[in-house]
Amino acid sequence: DGGITQSPKYLFRKEGQNVTLSCEQNLNHDAMYWYRQDPGQGLRLIYYSQIVNDFQKGDIAEGYSVSREKKESFPLTVTSAQKNPTAFYLCASSITAAGSNQPQHFGDGTRLSIL
Amino acid sequence: DQQVKQNSPSLSVQEGRISILNCDYTNSMFDYFLWYKKYPAEGPTFLISISSIKDKNEDGRFTVFLNKSAKHLSLHIVPSQPGDSAVYFCAASLNRDDKIIFGKGTRLHILP
Repeated sequence: DGGITQSPKYLFRKEGQNVTLSCEQNLNHDAMYWYRQDPGQGLRLIYYSQIVNDFQKGDIAEGYSVSREKKESFPLTVTSAQKNPTAFYLCASSITAAGSNQPQHFGDGTRLSIL
Repeated sequence: DQQVKQNSPSLSVQEGRISILNCDYTNSMFDYFLWYKKYPAEGPTFLISISSIKDKNEDGRFTVFLNKSAKHLSLHIVPSQPGDSAVYFCAASLNRDDKIIFGKGTRLHILP
């Protein structure tokens, strides 16, 4: 079955450490996205990528980094510069580029907690 | 500034009755609107969408209504079922890019 896989489901990090969240999709989608969700908040966009080797900052990119070396993979690194990293992180993908009005498909998320 | 607003954090509806979830937006350039449903510890799943050239879209028990002059859309679920208990996110996008802007969500409780 096609879908989006996020791993791990739960992740713990010590303060001052970088941590990388994995997101893989086999839907052959061009565009991929990272969101974070906090209690009582909507989904806020961190980074997105419309094509391989290209990505753009979202609304809350500070303290995060991404790469898009392969179409199917869009890992997110939460760096030590992110002051409040505890959150639920969601990866999504959609078929193609601007103007397509395609809905995004989401993975099941990774919950990151600081020890 | 919130461009997509869901002003009701929660809503309780009797099983079998109609659930109406509301959403307001501020950007008149939005031309595509979506509703997502989310269960705890899972990713959101796409439910239904509507283009700005329409005022209604129906899919089974789910209907989305769009009132462009009021910058308001609503999701109707009828009849409501226990499995509909979830958080519902309203979202909007502009045609020129892929970014989707989400509201904060409304938690729907279906009461037995």
